[in-house]
Amino acid sequence: GENVEQHPSTLSVQEGDSAVIKCTYSDSASNYFPWYKQELGKRPQLIIDIRSNVGEKKDQRIAVTLNKTAKHFSLHITETQPEDSAVYFCAASRQAGTALIFGKGTTLSVSS
Amino acid sequence: NAGVTQTPKFQVLKTGQSMTLQCAQDMNHNSMYWYRQDPGMGLRLIYYSASEGTTDKGEVPNGYNVSRLNKREFSLRLESAAPSQTSVYFCASSRQGTGKNIQYFGAGTRLSVL
Repeated sequence: GENVEQHPSTLSVQEGDSAVIKCTYSDSASNYFPWYKQELGKRPQLIIDIRSNVGEKKDQRIAVTLNKTAKHFSLHITETQPEDSAVYFCAASRQAGTALIFGKGTTLSVSS
Repeated sequence: NAGVTQTPKFQVLKTGQSMTLQCAQDMNHNSMYWYRQDPGMGLRLIYYSASEGTTDKGEVPNGYNVSRLNKREFSLRLESAAPSQTSVYFCASSRQGTGKNIQYFGAGTRLSVL
């Protein structure tokens, strides 16, 4: 089955710096890669996603890149702010309606 | 429109007790999921239901059973709770047919097994 590895497990940056979180997946049939943000005590919420027919996607300060050949994808957050502090999860799945397999998460801390 | 609703929010059980976690969604989604979240382990899939009438095992199904009662409701049952099942449980749902698998999560159930 699918296996998703996520690095680093913790990341500390200064406000205004960039943050990068990387994930690798094992199932070459996976074609959908979302990123979820979970604030302390809250539910995970989707922040950005990418499908396998796209190499990069941006939404304001966040972007995701996908390298299908190497089977890895990354989340990039620019101009970080204290409210970006949270746990971020990457995930992968084959198609809609099938299960997402999540990475173990990255705890991002942004200090001002 | 409440989204995904889980009950209860908190529960304390003794070892060997049984209980059912309830989940309902009002978004007309086909697919529903149960995850558990433990520190440092991320979100691990317990069971999922791709559509009404079907259920499949996920990564960590042992000790759990599920029922897809109808399109809206998907329950998770612990028949004989163990301390290793102390965790936060999340239910999620998603809609098929969009090419994506955007999952919407409930607020979670914090379960402690003593």
